[in-house]
Amino acid sequence: ETGVTQTPRHLVMGMTNKKSLKCEQHLGHNAMYWYKQSAKKPLELMFVYNFKEQTENNSVPSRFSPECPNSSHLFLHLHTLQPEDSALYLCASSHPNKASGGLGGELFFGEGSRLTVL
Amino acid sequence: GNSVTQMEGPVTLSEEAFLTINCTYTATGYPSLFWYVQYPGEGLQLLLKATKADDKGSNKGFEATYRKETTSFHLEKGSVQVSDSAVYFCALIHYNAGNMLTFGGGTRLMVKP
Repeated sequence: ETGVTQTPRHLVMGMTNKKSLKCEQHLGHNAMYWYKQSAKKPLELMFVYNFKEQTENNSVPSRFSPECPNSSHLFLHLHTLQPEDSALYLCASSHPNKASGGLGGELFFGEGSRLTVL
Repeated sequence: GNSVTQMEGPVTLSEEAFLTINCTYTATGYPSLFWYVQYPGEGLQLLLKATKADDKGSNKGFEATYRKETTSFHLEKGSVQVSDSAVYFCALIHYNAGNMLTFGGGTRLMVKP
C-alpha cells in the first residue's frame, strides 16, 4: 500500500468510447504525475501537475486529457484512442522542490490502470 | 540532457546467485540517483537511493554505490531469492533541471528456484 490508489485496475475500450482513469493520493503531496508504460519501451512521462497547475505536457496527443481538481485527485480522460495506446498507465505523487536528502525526488506510484484499446 | 542507461534484460539467475545490474548516467553536476523496483502487477516503488558521490544506498539486501568518476550506480545483491523477480529501474533527478526524474529502460530479473 503506497498511499496512491488508481481505478479502474483494468479497462477495455473501443476506439470510439470515452472513459476516464482516476488517481487519488492520501500522502499530502502537492505534485501528481501520469506515466505511460508500454511493453518494451521506456517509462514515458505524460503530464505533471504541481499545486493543481499543469507544469508539464510531454507532447501527449489531445485524445488524452488530464484533469487535476485538487492536490489529491488526478484524472486522465480518454477519447477516440488508438490500439497503440494500450498500455499500463501509472499515476504517481511527490513533494516537489524538496532538496536532496529526506524525501527529495521520491515518487510514490499507484498500481496502475491496464488499458486495452480494441 | 540527462539520461540513464541500464543493461538490457532479462537477467535470469538461480536462487542464491550474486546479482549485478549495471546503470550508468549522463548529467551535469551532482544528481541524486535511485533504484526503483516493479513487482508483477504492481506500480514502481523506491528500493534505494544515494544523494552524493561515494554514498551507498541499501535496502532489503540490495546495495548501490554512487560512483562519480565512472558515472555509475550499479545495483548488487549477494544472494537473490525467487521473490526478487521483478523489473528494476535506475533513475536520476537533477535539482537544477526541473526536479524531474529521468528513468532508465528497466531490467527484468527472473530468479529460478
